Amino acid sequence: GEDVEQSLFLSVREGDSSVINCTYTDSSSTYLYWYKQEPGAGLQLLTYIFSNMDMKQDQRLTVLLNKKDKHLSLRIADTQTGDSAIYFCAEDTGGFKTIFGAGTRLFVKA
Amino acid sequence: ETGVTQSPTHLIKTRGQQVTLRCSSQSGHNTVSWYQQALGQGPQFIFQYYREEENGRGNFPPRFSGLQFPNYSSELNVNALELDDSALYLCASSEEQGARGYTFGSGTRLTVV
Repeated sequence: GEDVEQSLFLSVREGDSSVINCTYTDSSSTYLYWYKQEPGAGLQLLTYIFSNMDMKQDQRLTVLLNKKDKHLSLRIADTQTGDSAIYFCAEDTGGFKTIFGAGTRLFVKA
Repeated sequence: ETGVTQSPTHLIKTRGQQVTLRCSSQSGHNTVSWYQQALGQGPQFIFQYYREEENGRGNFPPRFSGLQFPNYSSELNVNALELDDSALYLCASSEEQGARGYTFGSGTRLTVV
């Protein structure tokens, strides 16, 4: 079945790197996404990676994709207090449906 | 360029009532998807509308229905409200059925009492 799993919490110190991990089940996914949600807000698309790529870098964000293990990660370099939020991994199951994980709550300590 | 706007932002309804939530999609987007997000959970897919037609549906009962208008704005209707329908309802728009991701609205917080 379709499922996306993430760890629930991550705590890092300001200035350190954060790595948020995700596993998914649908090997036919075309795109995989990372979204950010701040309190009281909707989701903000951070980045996405096409399934035939291994890595994508966008400023402080690096996405790594291991298709064999169905593992996706998001690395945030030089993490700031403003990065504190919930981060959702999502997979495109083809056509109309995007499946989201339960989210990883990132705490950044000053 | 305006983003996705949803109304109302908050709503309290009584069990058994009906509710209509509204969404204006981002300019240039022809696809609208609706998601239900319970507290502490990820968004769950309700359905998607593409060019005014329902394009796919998640595991939600028929009392969840929707519409998309010629200007690509959309409505989500829920009949016979249940306590478990209490959640944040998110509208998301995109170009061409969601490839390359969605732009989300801030959501409507529905409380059923």
